[in-house]
Amino acid sequence: QKEVEQNSGPLSVPEGAIASLNCTYSDRVSQSFFWYRQYSGKSPELIMSIYSNGDKEDGRFTAQLNKASQYVSLLIRDSQPSDSATYLCAVANYGQNFVFGPGTRLSVLP
Amino acid sequence: GAVVSQHPSRVICKSGTSVKIECRSLDFQATTMFWYRQFPKQSLMLMATSNEGSKATYEQGVEKDKFLINHASLTLSTLTVTSAHPEDSSFYICSASTGAKDEQFFGPGTRLTVL
Repeated sequence: QKEVEQNSGPLSVPEGAIASLNCTYSDRVSQSFFWYRQYSGKSPELIMSIYSNGDKEDGRFTAQLNKASQYVSLLIRDSQPSDSATYLCAVANYGQNFVFGPGTRLSVLP
Repeated sequence: GAVVSQHPSRVICKSGTSVKIECRSLDFQATTMFWYRQFPKQSLMLMATSNEGSKATYEQGVEKDKFLINHASLTLSTLTVTSAHPEDSSFYICSASTGAKDEQFFGPGTRLTVL
């Protein structure tokens, strides 16, 4: 059973701080990694994808991938209350075995 | 780009009726579409994967005769919940993929309430 694990949270950070979200996965051959944001009552929205080891930055978001450790993370700089949501980590292997983690609930306190 | 629509956004029906949900990729051709279900405060659960022109592949525990999936074209997939019961009440979400880079783009979801 291929698994993706995340801390359920809630993770609470003050406004303006850096939020750090972590994800581990079990399938060593995974090649594609995603972070989705899901607001309560809404569907997931893709915010970052990463395919190579290292960091990928997009605005206030930075995804970090370490395939050797089977670990992917998302950093949110200058956190805003509007970032409060559930963040889903997802892992895939060339169109196969797309698996979502259970999500981490982030709360940014004003 | 990568916009996926779903219709209806919300449906309330009586127990025993069938409900059809449409999922459309508006600005790209989707080689694969996925159907998920999400109960309150729970994670997404993949129900089935469908490729255009092929039979859907259902996840273990999902009744294929109850959840009928048709993927008639590269831009349209439908999910029909047959003989719906209150326990089928949930948030149903579709996603679509071009196959490139494994990315999935989600529709806005359909909230089904079965009375």
